[in-house]
Amino acid sequence: EAGVTQFPSHSVIEKGQTVTLRCDPISGHDNLYWYRRVMGKEIKFLLHFVKESKQDESGMPNNRFLAERTGGTYSTLKVQPAELEDSGVYFCASSQDSAVTYEQYFGPGTRLTVT
Amino acid sequence: ILNVEQSPQSLHVQEGDSTNFTCSFPSSNFYALHWYRWETAKSPEALFVMTLNGDEKKKGRISATLNTKEGYSYLYIKGSQPEDSATYLCAFRVSGNQFYFGTGTSLTVIP
Repeated sequence: EAGVTQFPSHSVIEKGQTVTLRCDPISGHDNLYWYRRVMGKEIKFLLHFVKESKQDESGMPNNRFLAERTGGTYSTLKVQPAELEDSGVYFCASSQDSAVTYEQYFGPGTRLTVT
Repeated sequence: ILNVEQSPQSLHVQEGDSTNFTCSFPSSNFYALHWYRWETAKSPEALFVMTLNGDEKKKGRISATLNTKEGYSYLYIKGSQPEDSATYLCAFRVSGNQFYFGTGTSLTVIP
């Protein structure tokens, strides 16, 4: 079974540019999550999809961030325009169910550097 | 904002030594506690999901305990090996699907 995949693995952009990150969850997983880890700090929740619907987007930092999951399969996270403080590792995770015993399976992350 | 703390922040041990780390979390509204092992540029790997006070889980040389009343979990590694070198993350789950992560403990096992 293929795991959660993310593209690209690294992205270096200039302040003011746009970047789109992609996440492909494990097939059949309805729940998809985005997280971010700023260097030296903890991984923080951004938002949660159930199929194509946003279940919880309370962690999205501001309106420069837009997440979509059209068709309930893969998801994209767009940052426009990017700022220096957006640098970090963006993780995607998926789970089959939201019950407590179900694990969230993480992708390897996209390392975003804004210069 | 929930505060999840992990200690120590980093740790160097000799191969063969046993070691342990701590994850502290709020004792109220507990739902689950997750441990992950993370090597940079790889996917965080799920180690344990713990839900009940007094839970003890074991996977090979790694084990974990949970105390929800006092708000802490210990992760133990017996006979550390170089391949155990990684960052160990704990995540506290209040309800639903939000995970609150600690900053992690970075373990280096010296051959």
